[in-house]
Amino acid sequence: AQSVTQLGSHVSVSEGALVLLRCNYSSSVPPYLFWYVQYPNQGLQLLLKYTSAATLVKGINDFEAEFKKSETSFHLTKPSAHMSDAAEYFCAVRDIIQGAQKLVFGQGTRLTINP
Amino acid sequence: DTEVTQTPKHLVMGMTNKKSLKCEQHMGHRAMYWYKQKAKKPPELMFVYSYEKLSINESVPSRFSPECPNSSLLNLHLHALQPEDSALYLCASSQEGSRFEQYFGPGTRLTVT
Repeated sequence: AQSVTQLGSHVSVSEGALVLLRCNYSSSVPPYLFWYVQYPNQGLQLLLKYTSAATLVKGINDFEAEFKKSETSFHLTKPSAHMSDAAEYFCAVRDIIQGAQKLVFGQGTRLTINP
Repeated sequence: DTEVTQTPKHLVMGMTNKKSLKCEQHMGHRAMYWYKQKAKKPPELMFVYSYEKLSINESVPSRFSPECPNSSLLNLHLHALQPEDSALYLCASSQEGSRFEQYFGPGTRLTVT
């Protein structure tokens, strides 16, 4: 079964600073990897995905992630944090069970932005 | 358009009530999902429908009953719920195969009294 581990349940950065959210995965097949963002009392919004094309993936709102097979990592970065980036972030990997595709989520990282 | 809609946004129900949650997508996706999310936790998968057939039931209690009337609609029928069932219920849809990526609705905040 596939799994993901997000290192750090809570990350705090200053406005304008680099954002780095860590995700490591375990997969027995070439993985499909995703980052989602969730604002309070809302659904999850897809930030970006990796599906075996370019290893550096660009997403919405200037986020990007780099797939590193040797490190089994898919860390999310943003060069300059904005107050509006404060939210919960989930890394996820695709799994296939009984012929159906599903997402396996990490435990999430809460990002706080300090003024 | 990558929109998944859910109704109602909020629902308060007693333990003896029967209610339904509704989800709709018009992206032509053939897979639809129900998740339950508790505060400060990731979404937990409940059910997966693929081509309108139930593919995955993650051992969900029978007081939750899913229904997929057609490829655009997904319902979750609720009956005799418990207070611990209070949560955010999320619907999602996706393409099948190599174009897999899930899009989520805004959720229904359910409170069981």
